[in-house]
Amino acid sequence: SQKIEQNSEALNIQEGKTATLTCNYTNYSPAYLQWYRQDPGRGPVFLLLIRENEKEKRKERLKVTFDTTLKQSLFHITASQPADSATYLCALESPDMRFGAGTRLTVKP
Amino acid sequence: EAQVTQNPRYLITVTGKKLTVTCSQNMNHEYMSWYRQDPGLGLRQIYYSMNVEVTDKGDVPEGYKVSRKEKRNFPLILESPSPNQTSLYFCASSITGEGYGYTFGSGTRLTVV
Repeated sequence: SQKIEQNSEALNIQEGKTATLTCNYTNYSPAYLQWYRQDPGRGPVFLLLIRENEKEKRKERLKVTFDTTLKQSLFHITASQPADSATYLCALESPDMRFGAGTRLTVKP
Repeated sequence: EAQVTQNPRYLITVTGKKLTVTCSQNMNHEYMSWYRQDPGLGLRQIYYSMNVEVTDKGDVPEGYKVSRKEKRNFPLILESPSPNQTSLYFCASSITGEGYGYTFGSGTRLTVV
């Protein structure tokens, strides 16, 4: 069966450190992979999209990698801040969009 | 401001009473979609629309209807709501259905008693 697994329900880190979130998938061949941020009770907000032929994408303090052999994406937030605390969702387009359950990140001062 | 607007934000209703949740986008997006979000289950797609008059079922379409008569609007209709439709609902839109990020609305929290 098809699965999207974000490996931690919750991740706690200290301010200033790099947060690394993982998204693994099985039985998908996504053309695109996306990452979203969601705050409690709010709609997800699009952060980054990476294509299947791209290995890495960056935007300010965010970096996404995409390994179609390992069927995995890593999402990094460098120099994390308490304001980065939120739930982060990965989503695959294959071709319809499917979302993972999310990882709740808490950055402590 | 580019946005997806959903109404109402909160709704409590009784079993069987028909309701409509409205969704409107001002970005001239072709693609629109409805999701429900439940604890532990994540976002699940209900229906989507690739363009005007084109709609299709997502993963959990039972008990829902949609229509796309105009490009900007994509209402979600519950003809006879039941308690298992209590959930947080999100409307989303995208330039097309592929290769672009989605813009989500603020959500509608529906409680069916």
